[in-house]
Amino acid sequence: KQEVTQIPAALSVPEGENLVLNCSFTDSAIYNLQWFRQDPGKGLTSLLLIQSSQREQTSGRLNASLDKSSGRSTLYIAASQPGDSATYLCAVRYSNYQLIWGAGTKLIIKP
Amino acid sequence: NAGVTQTPKFQVLKTGQSMTLQCAQDMNHEYMSWYRQDPGMGLRLIHYSVGAGITDQGEVPNGYNVSRSTTEDFPLRLLSAAPSQTSVYFCASSTTENTEAFFGQGTRLTVV
Repeated sequence: KQEVTQIPAALSVPEGENLVLNCSFTDSAIYNLQWFRQDPGKGLTSLLLIQSSQREQTSGRLNASLDKSSGRSTLYIAASQPGDSATYLCAVRYSNYQLIWGAGTKLIIKP
Repeated sequence: NAGVTQTPKFQVLKTGQSMTLQCAQDMNHEYMSWYRQDPGMGLRLIHYSVGAGITDQGEVPNGYNVSRSTTEDFPLRLLSAAPSQTSVYFCASSTTENTEAFFGQGTRLTVV
């Protein structure tokens, strides 16, 4: 069964720290992997998309890596800010069109 | 830049009532899908469409119907609402299955 796991479920760190969010998946035959941000009561904002042939993608202070062989992706956030507080979701796309989702990591950045 | 638009944002239904959640995109995307999000769980796929006139079931299709008469619109119909359908519903679209997915703002549905 295709499953996606995100650990930890919640994380609280002081402002300014660099941090890493983890995503693991059981089936390595992926099309791509996408990281999203969700603010309370809001929709989903796409942060980064990594194709199966890529190792990493960067956007500003965000860097996402992909290791298909080990079934892992990490989202690195540099110099965290209170505005980064949100729930971060990892979703893996397979050939059956489905996005398989992790339950998310709730991130709190303390001023 | 409208992107993916969902209406309504909030809805309360009584058990047994029917309703349609609307989803429209203006990016000429072929692939559209509906997900539900429940507390502590990942989003789950309800139905999807790979183009006008083509739909298929996802992981949790029971109690829901869809149709895709145009590229732009992909409504989700609840036939007879049940409390188990209380959830947040998201519509998404992408060019193909291998490109970035864009999401609407969600519809928070409560069935009492």
